[in-house]
Amino acid sequence: DTAVSQTPKYLVTQMGNDKSIKCEQNLGHDTMYWYKQDSKKFLKIMFSYNNKELIINETVPNRFSPKSPDKAHLNLHINSLELGDSAVYFCASSQGQGRSYEQYFGPGTRLTVT
Amino acid sequence: RKEVEQDPGPFNVPEGATVAFNCTYSNSASQSFFWYRQDCRKEPKLLMSVYSSGNEDGRFTAQLNRASQYISLLIRDSKLSDSATYLCVVRGFYNQGGKLIFGQGTELSVKP
Repeated sequence: DTAVSQTPKYLVTQMGNDKSIKCEQNLGHDTMYWYKQDSKKFLKIMFSYNNKELIINETVPNRFSPKSPDKAHLNLHINSLELGDSAVYFCASSQGQGRSYEQYFGPGTRLTVT
Repeated sequence: RKEVEQDPGPFNVPEGATVAFNCTYSNSASQSFFWYRQDCRKEPKLLMSVYSSGNEDGRFTAQLNRASQYISLLIRDSKLSDSATYLCVVRGFYNQGGKLIFGQGTELSVKP
């Protein structure tokens, strides 16, 4: 009965590889997000989708491409991985973007690039 | 200047202590305010929303001062289980797509 799930939980890969992280929510929410938490624990938004439409795209390298096949899924594909991409990536979802919504976070994917 | 600033701590307090965290935000058009809690190697979870009139939830009291762009969280009678990082979070104004802007977090360690 997990609300927001991510796979994999841990990902260790070499520089230059391409990898994907998957996110699914079973809350019936229409908005999903990707956040990155770096080594200094600073959590920053990367992307947001509402009903499969991109609504937030922060200053993120083009190597990162989100894909939303349906409202319940938001995947993150990363090309040509770099050392600086090592971080914890959190997916989140909410019902709309209104004032009183709450964002629910997935357990995170710890990406290590060697 | 960071959009949301917090004292990173760590705050080391004994059980039963009262501890206060402060936070400032830079954008006066910010709409909503929250405190999230993040346990070690876990995801952030909403602790409480912060309302202009101030609000309380059990041992936790949150205050907002829009004029000073200042948010606070007070924890009374600290428990060991309160040990975590507390994140001050601001929701951007209406055309920012609902994104949350996080402070760097304040680490709290409650000791026996």
